[in-house]
Amino acid sequence: DIEMTQSPSSLSASVGDRVTITCQASQGITNFLNWYQEKPGKAPKLLIYDASNLKSGVPLRFSGSGSGRDFTLTITGLQTEDTGTYYCQQFDILPFTFGPGTKVEVK
Amino acid sequence: QEQLVESGGGLVKPGGSLTLTCAASGLGSGLGFSDYFMYWVRQAPGKGLECIAYISDTTGRKIHYPDSLKGRFTVYRDNGQKSLYLQMNNLRLEDTAVYYCARGRYYSDLPHVWGQGTLVTVSS
Repeated sequence: DIEMTQSPSSLSASVGDRVTITCQASQGITNFLNWYQEKPGKAPKLLIYDASNLKSGVPLRFSGSGSGRDFTLTITGLQTEDTGTYYCQQFDILPFTFGPGTKVEVK
Repeated sequence: QEQLVESGGGLVKPGGSLTLTCAASGLGSGLGFSDYFMYWVRQAPGKGLECIAYISDTTGRKIHYPDSLKGRFTVYRDNGQKSLYLQMNNLRLEDTAVYYCARGRYYSDLPHVWGQGTLVTVSS
């Protein structure tokens, strides 16, 4: 199975900050990577698909980049509503696997 | 509006069985239900996300489960009913989780779509 690692595991940042979360796959996955935001009691919400495509309706402050093994989710201008846990998911190789999550707190 | 709606969750005793259903509606982009691969993801309380079943598009010929679940879970689809199913047998306490269905399509510039989830609780 492809192992997905994320860093950091948690972070605390202020409103307006630029935040970067990295995700690394144990082997190359081209660009078959999604990023999700999860809030307690809610289904994960897709933010970025195919590594860099912003899903319609998601604020422009979210962006994704990377290919191969290394990927990044960036939030430019952090807002209070961005509090939550962020997961990356590869869907190149079965089974699809997720990173362990990055918990984001907005101060 | 595209959406997937799961149903069939509930309380079941260890060793029991349950079948989850995922109904699709409003699938746009000029594609039909059969044009998408489908998968189930679960999240146990306080844990991360785990993909537990995959079924390919069209005929659903390709099916995959993680090794830990083989033999207990069965995924299948009915394209005419625009529905995905997950039959779960011999349920264990550790199968307690919220179960989500999702769909995707390679090389399509289409984002994956997830349902809202259904809770399965295995308890005596």
